[in-house]
Amino acid sequence: DAGITQSPRHKVTETGTPVTLRCHQTENHRYMYWYRQDPGHGLRLIHYSYGVKDTDKGEVSDGYSVSRSKTEDFLLTLESATSSQTSVYFCAISESYTEAFFGQGTRLTVV
Amino acid sequence: GESVGLHLPTLSVQEGDNSIINCAYSNSASDYFIWYKQESGKGPQFIIDIRSNMDKRQGQRVTVLLNKTVKHLSLQIAATQPGDSAVYFCAENHAGGSNYKLTFGKGTLLTVNP
Repeated sequence: DAGITQSPRHKVTETGTPVTLRCHQTENHRYMYWYRQDPGHGLRLIHYSYGVKDTDKGEVSDGYSVSRSKTEDFLLTLESATSSQTSVYFCAISESYTEAFFGQGTRLTVV
Repeated sequence: GESVGLHLPTLSVQEGDNSIINCAYSNSASDYFIWYKQESGKGPQFIIDIRSNMDKRQGQRVTVLLNKTVKHLSLQIAATQPGDSAVYFCAENHAGGSNYKLTFGKGTLLTVNP
């Protein structure tokens, strides 16, 4: 398995609180992605990074911010969690246009 | 806008049969089309990709077909096995510059009946 770790794996948080999810890689891959997965919506891209401090928005970026200060870490922050952000979040890494390696996912519940 | 979608949300086949999973896309500028497999409780895994200047590519028991005229992508699985039961996603990406948005469709659930 590619060296990619998401933390935490499960989290329950209250509405209005900030939450940060971490993606850590040991593969030195240039590209990193955050997706959310919800029933009926498949995988939707939140933000992605194409290098240290180089990030861009995906299709569902509202309410989320990201940071990448080191090659190995890509952080996703929910600035003020809402119930609509209850989801499974996946991080992915890649060195190509096509083959990405996914983490095991983080199940986030906002109550 | 850009979108990658699917014709059917579910597909049920008998073990040993061939499976065909379809996908429609709308962005003619996509350079790569990709298929991923997601087993229950796991992250998606890369299966096979095809570049936009190709119309067919074969892998081990899988074939991807690309029809740019009708913007259609398909994944054929030969001799489907119970271990092929999963959700299959098509995805697309662009080449060049700093735009590396790997975008996924909604997925098709493949169930293989023994």
